[in-house]
Parts: sequence; C-alpha cells; structure tokens
Amino acid sequence: GIQVEQSPPDLILQEGANSTLRCNFSDSVNNLQWFHQNPWGQLINLFYIPSGTKQNGRLSATTVATERYSLLYISSSQTTDSGVYFCAGGMKLQFGAGTQVVVTP
Amino acid sequence: KAGVTQTPRYLIKTRGQQVTLSCSPISGHRSVSWYQQTPGQGLQFLFEYFSETQRNKGNFPGRFSGRQFSNSRSEMNVSTLELGDSALYLCASSDPAQDYGYTFGSGTRLTVV
Repeated sequence: GIQVEQSPPDLILQEGANSTLRCNFSDSVNNLQWFHQNPWGQLINLFYIPSGTKQNGRLSATTVATERYSLLYISSSQTTDSGVYFCAGGMKLQFGAGTQVVVTP
Repeated sequence: KAGVTQTPRYLIKTRGQQVTLSCSPISGHRSVSWYQQTPGQGLQFLFEYFSETQRNKGNFPGRFSGRQFSNSRSEMNVSTLELGDSALYLCASSDPAQDYGYTFGSGTRLTVV
C-alpha cells in the first residue's frame, strides 16, 4: 500500500510564528487531504488538495502531484492551532503519522 | 446540513464480548469509511462501503466486520473483543461526485477491560 511520511513529527511554536508541515507519498494519489485533530479527537478536514494551491484564512496548502508531496503552511499561529495535523490519500485514504503542533502564548 | 453522527460516544466492554458501532453519514453521501485510531498504530483503515457494498478492506482480522444499509447508515461490529481493540473508532462520509474530501464523525471511544 501507499506509504505516507510526515515531517516534522513535533513542532513547538510561539504564538504569531509561521510554520511549514510536509507530507510525502510513496506513490501518486488523486485525493490528498489535510486534517486537523483537536484535543477531543475530532478530525476536521482542512483541505482537499490533489494538486495546486489553496488558502483558507491563515492556512494554505500546496500539492506538487508530480513529485508526490504536499505542504501545509500555518501563518501567524494561534493557540487554537494546537493539535495534530494529518495528511492522507489513496484509495483507502492512508494516513501519515501526523505532526503534533503546540502553540504557546 | 447535519454532520456525521456516531453512536455511542463512549463504550466499555469486557474481553470476549462483541460490540456494534453506528455511523450516520451526511445526508446524500453514499460512501462511509471506518478507521481505528490507537496511540501505537495511528489511524488505520478498516473498510469502506458504497451503496451497501464493501468497496475496500484494510488489514484487520475477520472479527471486524461492517455493513451499510439502504439509507447509507453503516454499522461496524467487533466480535470476541480483545484488550488491544481499545481505540477511538472514527467513521467518515464522502460524496465521490464532489471534491471536498472526507468528513469525520466525533468517534466512538471503546475501552475493553
């Protein structure tokens, strides 16, 4: 099956900082998605981004499908951005191990 | 539009028992997928149903089964529970005709004692 690798595994940010999360896929996927899991376990779909760039407020994502990777950008981070960020894709929507983000005041 | 509804939210069962979890997808969505999340293994795909047919299956033992009804509601069943089945079980619904991906429910947290 498809392997999904996320980096970094952990990220500690001061409020207001910017950051970039990366997701690599072992094979092409046409349904790449980014999710945020809050401390209560709820998974929120941030982006459906098989290719190209999308923006939603302070978050944006870019997928380079030909090179099998995607980037999630968090700008001007806030404490509410804390949680685990997952990318996922493939026929069985394979998930990466996630990036644990902690934003400190 | 109502979201994905999973019931129950929490469940405690004894080893050897069986359990049934329920998932009601977003109205109009015909695809439902199930995932198991544990601290050690992360998010693992269990199975996907579309229009009452199992379309994909993950690498779980036969104790894990599921089904989907004509109204797209889905259930998953775990028989002969083991301690290692303790996990957060998440279901997601999607509409393959629309490009916005999967919407997840709040999950059922199963504890096996």
